[in-house]
Amino acid sequence: DGGITQSPKYLFRKEGQNVTLSCEQNLNHDAMYWYRQDPGQGLRLIYYSQIVNDFQKGDIAEGYSVSREKKESFPLTVTSAQKNPTAFYLCASSTLAASTGELFFGEGSRLTVL
Amino acid sequence: DAKTTQPNSMESNEEEPVHLPCNHSTISGTDYIHWYRQLPSQGPEYVIHGLTSNVNNRMASLAIAEDRKSSTLILHRATLRDAAVYYCILRDVGSNSGYALNFGKGTSLLVTP
Repeated sequence: DGGITQSPKYLFRKEGQNVTLSCEQNLNHDAMYWYRQDPGQGLRLIYYSQIVNDFQKGDIAEGYSVSREKKESFPLTVTSAQKNPTAFYLCASSTLAASTGELFFGEGSRLTVL
Repeated sequence: DAKTTQPNSMESNEEEPVHLPCNHSTISGTDYIHWYRQLPSQGPEYVIHGLTSNVNNRMASLAIAEDRKSSTLILHRATLRDAAVYYCILRDVGSNSGYALNFGKGTSLLVTP
């Protein structure tokens, strides 16, 4: 089935460690996105990419990094510079930016810093 | 981003219709109105979207005010599985930025038997 796969579903990290969250899609979508969600809050945009080897910062990009070496993959690294990384992370993809197509989400990765 | 305003929470009885409002007074001509919903501990899922005319699909109906400054998501018969957070967002297809936007807190819908 077509969709978005995020892994791991749950991740625990010690302070000072970098962690990478995986996001893979087989929907042939050009655009991919990373959002962060804190308890009881909405989704805030971290990074997005509309084409391979190009990406743009969202409102809360500090302490995060991404890469887009393949159309299907958009991994997110949470670095030690991120002051409060404990959150629910959601990856999503969509068709061309100018279309009215829907946004497809993965099941999310829940990161807890110990 | 053009902003939307939604009530924090709403409650409905099972099998009754639910009307979820959304205000977007600063909407522009190229903003599409999208609705998504999020079940607990899951990623959001698409519900419906529209530009000017009312829209219907198997999940819901979207009623858009004539001046486009507000819209209403209508669930015709609420079920317990409809209990979720419902997000109303505006997507500007004219800016070519896709879904590079933030989702607000949405409306948490409680459905009681």
